[in-house]
Parts: sequence; C-alpha cells; structure tokens
Amino acid sequence: GEDVEQSLFLSVREGDSSVINCTYTDSSSTYLYWYKQEPGAGLQLLTYIFSNMDMKQDQRLTVLLNKKDKHLSLRIADTQTGDSAIYFCAESTGGKLIFGQGTELSVKP
Amino acid sequence: DGGITQSPKYLFRKEGQNVTLSCEQNLNHDAMYWYRQDPGQGLRLIYYSQIVNDFQKGDIAEGYSVSREKKESFPLTVTSAQKNPTAFYLCASTDRTSLEQYFGPGTRLTVT
Repeated sequence: GEDVEQSLFLSVREGDSSVINCTYTDSSSTYLYWYKQEPGAGLQLLTYIFSNMDMKQDQRLTVLLNKKDKHLSLRIADTQTGDSAIYFCAESTGGKLIFGQGTELSVKP
Repeated sequence: DGGITQSPKYLFRKEGQNVTLSCEQNLNHDAMYWYRQDPGQGLRLIYYSQIVNDFQKGDIAEGYSVSREKKESFPLTVTSAQKNPTAFYLCASTDRTSLEQYFGPGTRLTVT
C-alpha cells in the first residue's frame, strides 16, 4: 500500500538552512505537499509540487522532487525560531492524502 | 471569515460513552475528512465524504461513525467500540478544484 516516511527530528541553529526529507511509495501521485503544524493547532499548507516538476521555490522554501527515487525534500533558508514546528509531507492518491509521520524541527538561537 | 471550526477544543469522556465531535465549514467545500493524530504517527484517515449523503471509510474507521446530511457539517462519533480513543482529531475540507486541504484547529479527546 501507499506509505510516506520521514525522519522524526531535526535540530538546527537560527540562520542555518534546514532540509527535511521524505520518501513515498506511490509513483502515480499527482501532487506532493508540505504542511506545517504548530503546537496544538491544525495543519497549514506551506507548498506543493506537481509530479512533473523537479523543483519549486517560494521565498525561503525550496522543494526538490526526485521522482525516480521517490524522494521529496523541503529546504528552509535562513531558519528562524518561528519555524520551529512539525512538518508533514503528503502524497495525493485516489482523492486522499497520505501523510508521513512528521518531522519535528527545533531551531536553536 | 471563511474557515473550518471544530468544537470543543478539549473533550473529556468516561470509557464506555459515545462522544460526537463537531466539524463545520463555511467554505462551500464539497469534500470533508476526519483524521486522527497520535504522537510520532502522523495523521491517519478515519472517514471522508466527497459529497452530501455519501462517505467512505478511511484506514482506521473501526469504532467510528460519521454522517453528512449537510454540505457544511461532518460530525464524527467516537463509539465505545473504539479501543484507544484518546487522541487529537483533525477535520479538513477541500473543493473540487483546490489542491489544498484546509484544516480545522482540532479537538483533543481524552477518555479515562
């Protein structure tokens, strides 16, 4: 079945770049997404990428997609303490989203 | 303001009681979803509905029930058959053309 995997934790220093990685299994996924969740809140869509793209940049966020390896990454440039949150990748399949376990990003001053 | 509301934010119940979680949206979205979130496990899909009066089971539907009598409302009932109901429950919605699922703020259910 479909599966999405992420590492659980990432710690960086303020001002550094953060790279959060994700692997997925459904090669027919049309779109792949990155969501952000702050403590005790719902999820907020950060960005998405269509499966025929390799890269998408949106201000401090860069998404890279390696379709051959089914690998997705989210790079946050100049990471700030306000970026501390849990980040979820998700793949779309059959009208549903399949989410990874989430990566908790901790930004140290 | 358009959005999704879930109430209450915190809910406490005794074991053996059914409890209904509310989800309302005024975005005129066709599809609505219920997810359960446990620490370190991400979001798991419980039920979803793509149109009024129709819904489908997700990956972990056992012990839950839903209804979709109105476009704007998709309540979730956690029944006494759900073995481990304590969790954070998230509702989401999307329209036919949107790429984005909009999420509500969530309800934290604690069953003791």
